[in-house]
Amino acid sequence: EAGVTQFPSHSVIEKGQTVTLRCDPISGHDNLYWYRRVMGKEIKFLLHFVKESKQDESGMPNNRFLAERTGGTYSTLKVQPAELEDSGVYFCASSRTGGRGTEAFFGQGTRLTVV
Amino acid sequence: DAKTTQPNSMESNEEEPVHLPCNHSTISGTDYIHWYRQLPSQGPEYVIHGLTSNVNNRMASLAIAEDRKSSTLILHRATLRDAAVYYCILITDSWGKLQFGAGTQVVVTP
Repeated sequence: EAGVTQFPSHSVIEKGQTVTLRCDPISGHDNLYWYRRVMGKEIKFLLHFVKESKQDESGMPNNRFLAERTGGTYSTLKVQPAELEDSGVYFCASSRTGGRGTEAFFGQGTRLTVV
Repeated sequence: DAKTTQPNSMESNEEEPVHLPCNHSTISGTDYIHWYRQLPSQGPEYVIHGLTSNVNNRMASLAIAEDRKSSTLILHRATLRDAAVYYCILITDSWGKLQFGAGTQVVVTP
């Protein structure tokens, strides 16, 4: 079984540009989560999809971030326009069922550097 | 926000057991205790979880205090590959959202 896959693994962009991160969850996993770690800080929740619907987007920092999950399969996270403080590692995770007793599987992350 | 307290770091010798403590005094009856770890340059990895009873799996054991206000992750025989940051996380959200704290950096020496 393939794990959670994230593309690209690294991205370096200039301030003001647009970047799109992609996450392919484990097949059959309805729940998809985005997290990020900015430099020196703890890993923070961004949002949660159940199939194609946004269940919780309370962690999205501002309206420069747009997440989609068309068809309930892969998800994209677009940052437009990127700012310096957006630099960090973005993680995607998926789980078959949601809930408190659920194991989540994480991807390797996308390291975003905004210069 | 993380609702758990862990030591910043712990050291262990290879092939020795490691006991990682976690305090969660504000835990409620429906909160699950999860442990994840993050190896260098990788995403977090699930280790184990429990609600009230002690749990064992191929990676580790989880000992939960009777009052559930604390728990201990036990790595029975530490290997160099177990060097990572270990996170103790309470899942209070019905959808499985994880709230990471600073975790415990485990250093394993040969």
